[in-house]
Amino acid sequence: SQTIHQWPATLVQPVGSPLSLECTVEGTSNPNLYWYRQAAGRGLQLLFYSVGIGQISSEVPQNLSASRPQDRQFILSSKKLLLSDSGFYLCAWSPRQGTLFFGSGTQLSVL
Amino acid sequence: SQQGEEDPQALSIQEGENATMNCSYKTSINNLQWYRQNSGRGLVHLILIRSNEREKHSGRLRVTLDTSKKSSSLLITASRAADTASYFCATDAGGYQKVTFGTGTKLQVIP
Repeated sequence: SQTIHQWPATLVQPVGSPLSLECTVEGTSNPNLYWYRQAAGRGLQLLFYSVGIGQISSEVPQNLSASRPQDRQFILSSKKLLLSDSGFYLCAWSPRQGTLFFGSGTQLSVL
Repeated sequence: SQQGEEDPQALSIQEGENATMNCSYKTSINNLQWYRQNSGRGLVHLILIRSNEREKHSGRLRVTLDTSKKSSSLLITASRAADTASYFCATDAGGYQKVTFGTGTKLQVIP
């Protein structure tokens, strides 16, 4: 069966520090991969999605970037965090055409 | 940007009552999905309805889709306290791989 791992669960970072969130999927190959961000009590904002290794589509022109170095690995990064980067970050995967399966999320607080 | 908007933003009902949530979207879609999110957790897929379908059932869930009005509704019958969660619709208006979410309806079921 397929599983998705996202870590860490919580993260507190100072403004200006770098960020690296990692997400890995097991039990499937060539999945679509996604990063979403959710502000407290709000909907999900699509940040990045990827249909293959090295193929990243960006939806939000901010100081975040994403990379897919391996088929089932998706990394969200920032060189310098801003206060506005705080939020709940969710990784998800899907088959070519189908439902999304979400990780458990990372609560990021930038102070 | 959000593709969909849920209505109402919040809903409070007594256990045993039915809960209806609506979703409106802006552009043509291939399919529409509904997800559930418990506080601080990842989203869980509930049901997918394709653009050529008008109604779909799954247990106590009933989803309708009206592509002419660009709207969908989720009905939860005989609600239970455990149904308390936020509910989101999601569409793939930008292509099968680009899935965007609505703003969500926060449902509270009072025992």
